Amino acid sequence: DSGVTQTPKHLITATGQRVTLRCSPRSGDLSVYWYQQSLDQGLQFLIQYYNGEERAKGNILERFSAQQFPDLHSELNLSSLELGDSALYFCASSVVPGQGGEQFFGPGTRLTVL
Amino acid sequence: GENVEQHLSTLSVQEGDSAVIKCTYSDSASNYFPWYKQELGKRPQLIIDIRSNVGEKKDQRIAVTLNKTAKHFSLHITETQPEDSAVYFCAAHPTSGTYKYIFGTGTRLKVLA
Repeated sequence: DSGVTQTPKHLITATGQRVTLRCSPRSGDLSVYWYQQSLDQGLQFLIQYYNGEERAKGNILERFSAQQFPDLHSELNLSSLELGDSALYFCASSVVPGQGGEQFFGPGTRLTVL
Repeated sequence: GENVEQHLSTLSVQEGDSAVIKCTYSDSASNYFPWYKQELGKRPQLIIDIRSNVGEKKDQRIAVTLNKTAKHFSLHITETQPEDSAVYFCAAHPTSGTYKYIFGTGTRLKVLA
């Protein structure tokens, strides 16, 4: 157990719908990262937050948005869902970016868009 | 731009043999290089990492080497076992700028019994 929690574990929805994925980082970690992993693919970096502020953006679609709340949990919102959005979405946390150190990954949320 | 190339998508080795997976990075500001192991359907987990002030680091059967001049780093697994079969991701992390981790595309290691 990495100490990073993600809910829900599985999510099945239809095209055009909107979903919210939730992540709670490890206690003490200020930085949260979101990744998308499609079937047999690598980890596509979506977005990073540090202490409530957006720090870096990767290949995140305009239909996707995220935020980090004062209690440091983060939510990833996916809207106007398409079949191609089906993937495993990981959240990871680390203590302070820029110092190196392990990223701790959550168990992931498996999103299936039908 | 920032990029990490992981040259092998698949590597098959016989049980007991060694495996080497190499990554090349582009951002010279990168100075932290972790390796993650991901078993099927599970989360990536750190197995070893190295910082730019060190050329090699070992942990039992696993080692990582770093060549800063050539901008590449490699994962070495000796005496491979079936449980080593997984996907291995390398990453590079700069300690300036955006601080994001740039991951390679992953190498699926198959250890054949």
